[in-house]
Amino acid sequence: DTAVSQTPKYLVTQMGNDKSIKCEQNLGHDTMYWYKQDSKKFLKIMFSYNNKELIINETVPNRFSPKSPDKAHLNLHINSLELGDSAVYFCASSRGAGGSQPQHFGDGTRLSIL
Amino acid sequence: GDSVTQMEGPVTLSEEAFLTINCTYTATGYPSLFWYVQYPGEGLQLLLKATKADDKGSNKGFEATYRKETTSFHLEKGSVQVSDSAVYFCALKEGSNAGKSTFGDGTTLTVKP
Repeated sequence: DTAVSQTPKYLVTQMGNDKSIKCEQNLGHDTMYWYKQDSKKFLKIMFSYNNKELIINETVPNRFSPKSPDKAHLNLHINSLELGDSAVYFCASSRGAGGSQPQHFGDGTRLSIL
Repeated sequence: GDSVTQMEGPVTLSEEAFLTINCTYTATGYPSLFWYVQYPGEGLQLLLKATKADDKGSNKGFEATYRKETTSFHLEKGSVQVSDSAVYFCALKEGSNAGKSTFGDGTTLTVKP
């Protein structure tokens, strides 16, 4: 019954590799997000999709490519992983992109680059 | 652009102490304001929210009032418990900005028995 689920929970890989993180929500929301949280707990928006359309694309290296096959899924593919990509990546969703709707977060994917 | 400034942590309190975590914001429009809580190893969870000036959000003994005149949304709880130990994030979301949220840097609270 998990509302926003991410896989994998942990990801340990070598520098230079390509990896993907998957996210699914069963809340019927139409807006989904990817956030990056660094070791100091700072949280930064990366991307947001509304009805499968990209609506927020922050200053993120183009090695990061989101894909939304449908409203319930938002995946994140990362090419040529670098040491600085080590972080916790959170997927979130909300009902609509409007201001009053809170976001529901997954439990995060802990990415460690060796 | 929008910004959220939170009281720096970490904050350490004894059980049953009074908690205040300050939050002030800068926004061009009329944002909704939120407090989220993150327990160790988990994602953020909505704690409370307020969508217009003078609204008070409350949940689990926590309260925050949307003060437009001081652009603040301070989080308070009268008597904290060990189980309240977590990281607390203040956030704003503007309806005009395609749903983009701006988060504060988080405040780590530790409550000791």
